Amino acid sequence: SAVISQKPSRDICQRGTSLTIQCQVDSQVTMMFWYRQQPGQSLTLIATANQGSEATYESGFVIDKFPISRPNLTFSTLTVSNMSPEDSSIYLCSVGQSDTEAFFGQGTRLTVV
Amino acid sequence: GEDVEQSLFLSVREGDSSVINCTYTDSSSTYLYWYKQEPGAGLQLLTYIFSNMDMKQDQRLTVLLNKKDKHLSLRIADTQTGDSAIYFCAEKKGYSTLTFGKGTMLLVSP
Repeated sequence: SAVISQKPSRDICQRGTSLTIQCQVDSQVTMMFWYRQQPGQSLTLIATANQGSEATYESGFVIDKFPISRPNLTFSTLTVSNMSPEDSSIYLCSVGQSDTEAFFGQGTRLTVV
Repeated sequence: GEDVEQSLFLSVREGDSSVINCTYTDSSSTYLYWYKQEPGAGLQLLTYIFSNMDMKQDQRLTVLLNKKDKHLSLRIADTQTGDSAIYFCAEKKGYSTLTFGKGTMLLVSP
């Protein structure tokens, strides 16, 4: 299984600021995804991080608010921009190497005050 | 309705078996997954089953799939207090992304 490292593991941020979350995988993976888990809720897909091209966003999520980079097959970043308390969530990176595998990082717990 | 549904809460005694149930609506799902999330942690992949299988066993875990009824269950034998967590069912079609249920909180009492 892939080993996924997310940084930071948690942060407390002031409203109006931005936070960039990093996801590093120990092997090259085909697919990388970013999910959000709001308090007490299930996971919602934000976007698919595409290597070498713009990310594919799900309904309700836009690039200006959640810019994503994927410069290579082992690394991606998600930025939460102009944060408000409603952005307080756990943000999770997920990777898939084949159509069977779906592994998650430990998540980034974000609190916006 | 929701694509993937789970009961929200299950309480068992240590040593008993736990059965967590899940129903899904998309008959074209190719894989179905169970994840475990402990407090403050990410998701740990427990097991997954291909849609053309009926059962998969891995140590204390048994997954049963009834494709006709679109029903998936996870049985944990000899449940321990360390099994207390939220368990998420998820479905997937090919290389597409996962659709999650809302999670079942399992509480194991001594």
